[in-house]
Amino acid sequence: DAMVIQNPRYQVTQFGKPVTLSCSQTLNHNVMYWYQQKSSQAPKLLFHYYDKDFNNEADTPDNFQSRRPNTSFCFLDIRSPGLGDAAMYLCATSREREDTQYFGPGTRLTVL
Amino acid sequence: GESVGLHLPTLSVQEGDNSIINCAYSNSASDYFIWYKQESGKGPQFIIDIRSNMDKRQGQRVTVLLNKTVKHLSLQIAATQPGDSAVYFCAENWGSGYSTLTFGKGTMLLVSP
Repeated sequence: DAMVIQNPRYQVTQFGKPVTLSCSQTLNHNVMYWYQQKSSQAPKLLFHYYDKDFNNEADTPDNFQSRRPNTSFCFLDIRSPGLGDAAMYLCATSREREDTQYFGPGTRLTVL
Repeated sequence: GESVGLHLPTLSVQEGDNSIINCAYSNSASDYFIWYKQESGKGPQFIIDIRSNMDKRQGQRVTVLLNKTVKHLSLQIAATQPGDSAVYFCAENWGSGYSTLTFGKGTMLLVSP
């Protein structure tokens, strides 16, 4: 049974055209995370929500925003995608911050 | 497009061999460690974890060893199978509160039939 679901799995957008990626979870976990992963690199944390409390990483560009309307859903908004934003975007959840994170399958973003 | 990534360290083994993947972690205060497996085009998959009050933990065909003295973590896979081919990441977490996981660079495991 899928526990962390990401849609779409593949997203193509144009340079500068806003795009939204979505994540949902059936685990009822408190924490939801968004990571960016580029080829042959480790996932890089962009931000996370603890419940409704948003926590941004210091080096996350302003171009990246997030929303968490309820426990189950979290969205990643890229306001003006650049070519350098092409990557795999991973959503993860954990019960508490110090607990195991469970990842979704990712969304592969292509910027044309 | 994507920027060119770094070449990952690669471990090549034959099917049936035992594999050992190593990881040096960064923070001596880290108290929780996880190994993830990531197959091409998929999200990281939890394999096994260990807390800092342990030095060894075993799962099905996998064992994690923790050496806090030298800040070293290893993942041992017994009787490696072609389906084990993937990138393996270690991750560490130090303490509770606002800390989150920090991922290591990753090692690619290639298993030949």
